[in-house]
Amino acid sequence: EAGVAQSPRYKIIEKRQSVAFWCNPISGHATLYWYQQILGQGPKLLIQFQNNGVVDDSQLPKDRFSAERLKGVDSTLKIQPAKLEDSAVYLCASSFRRASTEAFFGQGTRLTVV
Amino acid sequence: RKEVEQDPGPFNVPEGATVAFNCTYSNSASQSFFWYRQDCRKEPKLLMSVYSSGNEDGRFTAQLNRASQYISLLIRDSKLSDSATYLCVVGASGAGSYQLTFGKGTKLSVIP
Repeated sequence: EAGVAQSPRYKIIEKRQSVAFWCNPISGHATLYWYQQILGQGPKLLIQFQNNGVVDDSQLPKDRFSAERLKGVDSTLKIQPAKLEDSAVYLCASSFRRASTEAFFGQGTRLTVV
Repeated sequence: RKEVEQDPGPFNVPEGATVAFNCTYSNSASQSFFWYRQDCRKEPKLLMSVYSSGNEDGRFTAQLNRASQYISLLIRDSKLSDSATYLCVVGASGAGSYQLTFGKGTKLSVIP
């Protein structure tokens, strides 16, 4: 079974530029998460989708971050404009059901803002 | 207020040692509990789910105390390959969503 796919693996941009990350979850997984993991910390949830609807984006900095999941499958996360503090690993995860199930993670996108 | 709190370590232990990690969580309505393992520069992967009755998987034993809102992970006979960061994860429903909250992780280094 294919896992969660993410691209790109690495990205270096200058501050104030924009960047987009892509995620393809495991087939059949209705729930998709985007997490931000800063070095030395645990993953922090940015946004959660159930099919193509947003169920939680309370920790998403909406002035600069946006995400969509068209057709309830692939998802993109965008940052515009990027700040130095956005340097982190952006992890996409998916799970089969909403409650009481584990999440499977992609390899992440390591973003460096200079 | 930290929702899921762990001792960050690092724990440096010799091969063959037994090591225990602890985790506390603040949301008393939490429903599911997990330990994830994260290797350096890799994604988190599920190590084991944690059940109220306690559960064991080989050298790993996880326990949950709902009354104290406390989770533990015990690793017996540590191997070099156990070196990683161990993340305590708690799942809870609220406001129409089910959310997984991660602790900051406890770093383990097993030394030859």
